Amino acid sequence: DVKVTQSSRYLVKRTGEKVFLECVQDMDHENMFWYRQDPGLGLRLIYFSYDVKMKEKGDIPEGYSVSREKKERFSLILESASTNQTSMYLCASSAGWGPQHFGDGTRLSIL
Amino acid sequence: ELKVEQNPLFLSMQEGKNYTIYCNYSTTSDRLYWYRQDPGKSLESLFVLLSNGAVKQEGRLMASLDTKARLSTLHITAAVHDLSATYFCAGGPLRDDKIIFGKGTRLHILP
Repeated sequence: DVKVTQSSRYLVKRTGEKVFLECVQDMDHENMFWYRQDPGLGLRLIYFSYDVKMKEKGDIPEGYSVSREKKERFSLILESASTNQTSMYLCASSAGWGPQHFGDGTRLSIL
Repeated sequence: ELKVEQNPLFLSMQEGKNYTIYCNYSTTSDRLYWYRQDPGKSLESLFVLLSNGAVKQEGRLMASLDTKARLSTLHITAAVHDLSATYFCAGGPLRDDKIIFGKGTRLHILP
């Protein structure tokens, strides 16, 4: 069965902290994505990666960076967390034109 | 840039009724996806539509794609309470790795 695992379901951090969100997939998918989901705004793409060490900016990359050193792992980094980054973060992976498979999400609160 | 609009954004309906959710997109989108999200959960893939005229059905849900009209529909037949959820459509051209999500339709089916 397809599995995308996000490291934390809930996370509380303070403003100014550097925050790491980890995502691992076990399907050998080449594409991986990070979204944030906010009420009324749907899913917005932060970054995506189509191969190891490759990354592309999505619609809202400001304040975020990503790392993909291995095919199965895609990390999202908040360089200096701010309160407006409080959100639900969703990781997904896909192969070709197949559907994206989503992790359970990380609800991140920045105090 | 591709924009995806869903309507309605909120829908409350009685069990046993039929209804349709519409997904319009602004520029070329060769592929269209439908997802379901239950409260507090992540997104689950429902349908993948990859060609003009594609129609897929699963239980009481049927999805179709008309690329000339830039329109996809999700039709619900004889709704049951278990179908209450938020439904997202997402699309994008085949040349892109990323897809753009609509804001979602929150469907509430009254028993």
